[in-house]
Amino acid sequence: GESVGLHLPTLSVQEGDNSIINCAYSNSASDYFIWYKQESGKGPQFIIDIRSNMDKRQGQRVTVLLNKTVKHLSLQIAATQPGDSAVYFCAETRAGGYQKVTFGTGTKLQVIP
Amino acid sequence: DGGITQSPKYLFRKEGQNVTLSCEQNLNHDAMYWYRQDPGQGLRLIYYSQIVNDFQKGDIAEGYSVSREKKESFPLTVTSAQKNPTAFYLCASKGNGNSGNTIYFGEGSWLTVV
Repeated sequence: GESVGLHLPTLSVQEGDNSIINCAYSNSASDYFIWYKQESGKGPQFIIDIRSNMDKRQGQRVTVLLNKTVKHLSLQIAATQPGDSAVYFCAETRAGGYQKVTFGTGTKLQVIP
Repeated sequence: DGGITQSPKYLFRKEGQNVTLSCEQNLNHDAMYWYRQDPGQGLRLIYYSQIVNDFQKGDIAEGYSVSREKKESFPLTVTSAQKNPTAFYLCASKGNGNSGNTIYFGEGSWLTVV
């Protein structure tokens, strides 16, 4: 069945280092992937997305990589800051109209000052 | 400001009581969603609506009800039939294909049974 999983439930990173959060998905039909950041007690915030016709997309301090061969998605955060501490979710869906969105459980990123 | 507004932020329910969580969006989005999040868990879909006056059950609809009388509003009622309602509830919306595929979330509502 469809599933979106994360390799590590918790990731601790020194401030200033780069963070890499990984995600595996199983639905080959998914063609749109999203990363969200969720701070404690708040709703998820959109970070960055990528379509399946791309391998890489960059935002401000963040990069998403998509490897369709192994159904793997990663979020890279450059120069991690204390404000980056949160739970990060990946999500998979299909573009266009209503499509079911499958969310991963989340990875908690802890930034060590 | 454009966005999704959920209220109340915190709500307490007594046993056997129905409560309603409000969700309003001014993004002109067609689709709206309700998710439930338990501590340390991912998001589970309760109900969704693709258009006004239409809604469909998600994965965990039992004990919940919704209505979609206006495009901007998608209230969720947690009924007494929901035996374990304590959770964080998230409302979300999504535009049509021309305006993007991303789902945007509200700030959430905490429901606690007392």
